[in-house]
Amino acid sequence: DQQVKQNSPSLSVQEGRISILNCDYTNSMFDYFLWYKKYPAEGPTFLISISSIKDKNEDGRFTVFLNKSAKHLSLHIVPSQPGDSAVYFCAEYGSSNTGKLIFGQGTTLQVKP
Amino acid sequence: NAGVMQNPRHLVRRRGQEARLRCSPMKGHSHVYWYRQLPEEGLKFMVYLQKENIIDESGMPKERFSAEFPKEGPSILRIQQVVRGDSAAYFCASSPTGTNKNYGYTFGSGTRLTVV
Repeated sequence: DQQVKQNSPSLSVQEGRISILNCDYTNSMFDYFLWYKKYPAEGPTFLISISSIKDKNEDGRFTVFLNKSAKHLSLHIVPSQPGDSAVYFCAEYGSSNTGKLIFGQGTTLQVKP
Repeated sequence: NAGVMQNPRHLVRRRGQEARLRCSPMKGHSHVYWYRQLPEEGLKFMVYLQKENIIDESGMPKERFSAEFPKEGPSILRIQQVVRGDSAAYFCASSPTGTNKNYGYTFGSGTRLTVV
């Protein structure tokens, strides 16, 4: 049973426009959601997080929105740049206390010049 | 300031052989996590270790897989009698004491295992 779902395998946007990546979850008992970015042949890199007590967190061009009633979060990248082309994973810690992350399947973002 | 070091980067094994994947955490980090990414899938948790202790192995297959993090040296993920389905990218992550849930962990670049 997939607890974190990213239903769009891929997304293509034009440079300078907004990229919106979506994530749905089933577990209501969470502390934090995180977004990771991954380039080919590299490990995931932490991008931004949001805690359950907030509905928005912003860091430069990246903003994450949390809608707890819909169990949905989204990552907005504005403006998108070609260097943002990568696979983006949302992840949450699940219900264990051991800190293990549960990842979505990932969305491949392509930003066209 | 070296990050999480994984080696080898690429590993090719024939069916039935053993695979040993090594992970050296960041300096000062005593917590290690192993994740596996199968083709076209997200990362799946395998095991969480602290020095000389396995804390959570709920994601480890019951057979052929084992992990250790000795007092000295890197963490080792060992796969015995590999099969084609073990072909995947294996990522190690480390953190200092416990988990800062606001920032997650630092991942290594991974070991890509190919079983032929």
